[in-house]
Order: sequence, then C-alpha cells, then structure tokens
Amino acid sequence: EAQVTQNPRYLITVTGKKLTVTCSQNMNHEYMSWYRQDPGLGLRQIYYSMNVEVTDKGDVPEGYKVSRKEKRNFPLILESPSPNQTSLYFCASKYRGPSYEQYFGPGTRLTVT
Amino acid sequence: GQQVMQIPQYQHVQEGEDFTTYCNSSTTLSNIQWYKQRPGGHPVFLIQLVKSGEVKKQKRLTFQFGEAKKNSSLHITATQTTDVGTYFCAGGNTDKLIFGTGTRLQVFP
Repeated sequence: EAQVTQNPRYLITVTGKKLTVTCSQNMNHEYMSWYRQDPGLGLRQIYYSMNVEVTDKGDVPEGYKVSRKEKRNFPLILESPSPNQTSLYFCASKYRGPSYEQYFGPGTRLTVT
Repeated sequence: GQQVMQIPQYQHVQEGEDFTTYCNSSTTLSNIQWYKQRPGGHPVFLIQLVKSGEVKKQKRLTFQFGEAKKNSSLHITATQTTDVGTYFCAGGNTDKLIFGTGTRLQVFP
C-alpha cells in the first residue's frame, strides 16, 4: 500500500530535550516536505527536499533541522524544543513538478511543556 | 512572497444547505489543488485544476479555476454530515505548494 508513515503519532516532551520525528514514504517520491498546522494558520511549510542530500527552508524553518540521506526518509529534528513548537506536524511527499498531488502522513501531535 | 488566502475560515450549515469556499492567490498559478482533512485526520487530495476557467465536478462537489488563474472555488451542493472537515486549496508554480488557510465546515443534521 502506497503510504507516508510518521512516528511517533503523539509526543509530550519538555523544553530543551532533543527529539526526532521520523517520516518514510514507499512511493519513490523525490520531493518531501514537513508542515506544521496551527489553528487559523493553515499548513505552513517548515522544510522541504527535492531529492537526496538536497534540502531547503520553507516558510517557518526556525528551530528545526532536517536531513535527507535516503530517498524514502526525511526526519524532522528539534534540537531544543520550545513551547511555541507545540503543534500538529505533517510529513508529505510527491513526485517532482507542480502538477503532482501531495501525499500526507497521519500527523504527529507534539506538545512541549 | 506568494500568498494564498481562503475564505471563510469557518462555516456552519444545516444538512442539505449548500456551501462554498473561495481561494485567492496573490500571483498567477499554474494549477490549483484541493484537499480535504477530516477531523483528526490528514489532508487528502481531492482534485487538481490546470486550465483557465476550468470546471470539474465530483458528485456534489464543483470546483472552478478562475479565468486569470488567481482564484478558485469549491461548491458543495446539499451538504451531508460526511462533508464535515477542513478544505484546503493549494497552488503553486514550482514543486512547492502554497496552502490556503483552510475553511472548516461543520454540518448540523
């Protein structure tokens, strides 16, 4: 089954404790992306990757890191989480090109206290 | 930078009433996509419009792309409780999709 998986689905952590949210897709997509969703603000892009070893900042990259060592994986790293990073996070993937649909993972609900 | 605005932010309707959400871009788009996110779920692709003035239908849903390719609308005829969720438009000219802020639809039986 074609899918994007994320782990963990739910995470409660404390300020400053490094964490990683994993993302994996099995559709051989070149393009992968991370979004955060906050009430009234829609989906805002954090980082994206056009291919292996190619990553770039989205609209709200501060406080986040990513890496793309393999085509299928695109982990999101929060080196020192803060309460304003409490949010719902989605990983997504698609083929390169503006006319391809994006496939989203199930989401990770992160709470930073 | 490029922005995509969506209105209204919320809409509550009685089951059977119609519903429309509007999407406006600050720049011309090569295409527009629509996604639906059920409560507690993730966005799921509904449709893509590419041509100026294009109209597409999916059962009770009608999607339009403006003549100038800067705006779009989604109209639902005779809403049902299964239509509940948040509807996002997303547009772009490159790999990057710019998502609208979404319209949350609530349907009362």
